[in-house]
Amino acid sequence: DTEVTQTPKHLVMGMTNKKSLKCEQHMGHRAMYWYKQKAKKPPELMFVYSYEKLSINESVPSRFSPECPNSSLLNLHLHALQPEDSALYLCASSQVNMGLTDTQYFGPGTRLTVL
Amino acid sequence: KQEVTQIPAALSVPEGENLVLNCSFTDSAIYNLQWFRQDPGKGLTSLLLIQSSQREQTSGRLNASLDKSSGRSTLYIAASQPGDSATYLCAVYTGGGNKLTFGTGTQLKVEL
Repeated sequence: DTEVTQTPKHLVMGMTNKKSLKCEQHMGHRAMYWYKQKAKKPPELMFVYSYEKLSINESVPSRFSPECPNSSLLNLHLHALQPEDSALYLCASSQVNMGLTDTQYFGPGTRLTVL
Repeated sequence: KQEVTQIPAALSVPEGENLVLNCSFTDSAIYNLQWFRQDPGKGLTSLLLIQSSQREQTSGRLNASLDKSSGRSTLYIAASQPGDSATYLCAVYTGGGNKLTFGTGTQLKVEL
């Protein structure tokens, strides 16, 4: 099973709302990632978790709060977002071998619209 | 800062043609390079991963090469089909091995 699932598929929220994106994998991967992708642009790395610990934060605004409750789950909590945060949010996972990474497997993404 | 560029940005070819997509990166200190395809509004599908010590990888009609010293990779697609129409992204691993930087993408259309 090489599947990464993401819920919800679509999300519309107001600037005062609090919502969460969920990502799940059952491949035994110990590295999980959040990316943001604007239309017609490549994905941009936001956060990396390695062995359930945050290892990379690409200077993401605090209105985005990641959480990795266990090795299979990755959440992204959203609060007080701006319209420019509207994008496709992609989750990915990979093995971590000898400190290097293996193939990253991506989920289908959550299409977020902030009104 | 690693920068990854893909040329061309868009490409339209007739079915059956062989084609080459190009990827270049500014910092040759990479761990490996991965090629993805992305269909409109969808997630990314991994096509090939090349370790920094390797020169090429093959999967079916796809062949990817890596010249780390010159900062270049190519993706060769043989006998293209309409189902190959998608955006192709290359990405390099830098910064401790689990930081992936994506290229600008090549939007491919294979016409009947």
